Amino acid sequence: DTAVSQTPKYLVTQMGNDKSIKCEQNLGHDTMYWYKQDSKKFLKIMFSYNNKELIINETVPNRFSPKSPDKAHLNLHINSLELGDSAVYFCASSQGIGLQFGPGTRLTVL
Amino acid sequence: AQSVTQPDIHITVSEGASLELRCNYSYGATPYLFWYVQSPGQGLQLLLKYFSGDTLVQGIKGFEAEFKRSQSSFNLRKPSVHWSDAAEYFCAVGAMREYGNKLVFGAGTILRVKS
Repeated sequence: DTAVSQTPKYLVTQMGNDKSIKCEQNLGHDTMYWYKQDSKKFLKIMFSYNNKELIINETVPNRFSPKSPDKAHLNLHINSLELGDSAVYFCASSQGIGLQFGPGTRLTVL
Repeated sequence: AQSVTQPDIHITVSEGASLELRCNYSYGATPYLFWYVQSPGQGLQLLLKYFSGDTLVQGIKGFEAEFKRSQSSFNLRKPSVHWSDAAEYFCAVGAMREYGNKLVFGAGTILRVKS
């Protein structure tokens, strides 16, 4: 299936830990994104990469570090997790206008 | 900067009734407009999109939306709602950049369908 996939689907961890979320797309898209959906379901862009280069960084704390080893992958590493980081994180990709989203990763910080 | 307003947080309709979800946007140039649907615990699925041309666009699952520049609106409609349409609906406006694009989402409208 052609799609955007994310792992893990659920992530429960303690405050202060470091965790990573992985994203892969097999659509051949050049651009990938991370969006955060908070507890009120509000969706906000965090980062965007085009061909492994960072093109959008929306004032996200530097505890969040995206990494794109190739244009099909965009991982998100989060250091020193805080309670407020609890959210659903969506990866997406695009070629031109419009985004295709992954299934999301629900992160719960205890 | 772009912004999107979805004035209705919740809407309840009876199965078989018609549906209209409102979306107003703010953007200085010609907008790219989208509707996404999110079922509980699921990701976002694209219902339809508007770039240019015909202002009435057809999407999947029997949905349509009409772009009205004079009203800065892009309302989503369906003539007859099915119970499976119960979900949260997000309107988004996009700005195309040199590489990639940035979508700004509204706060969402939760649709409940009563039998």
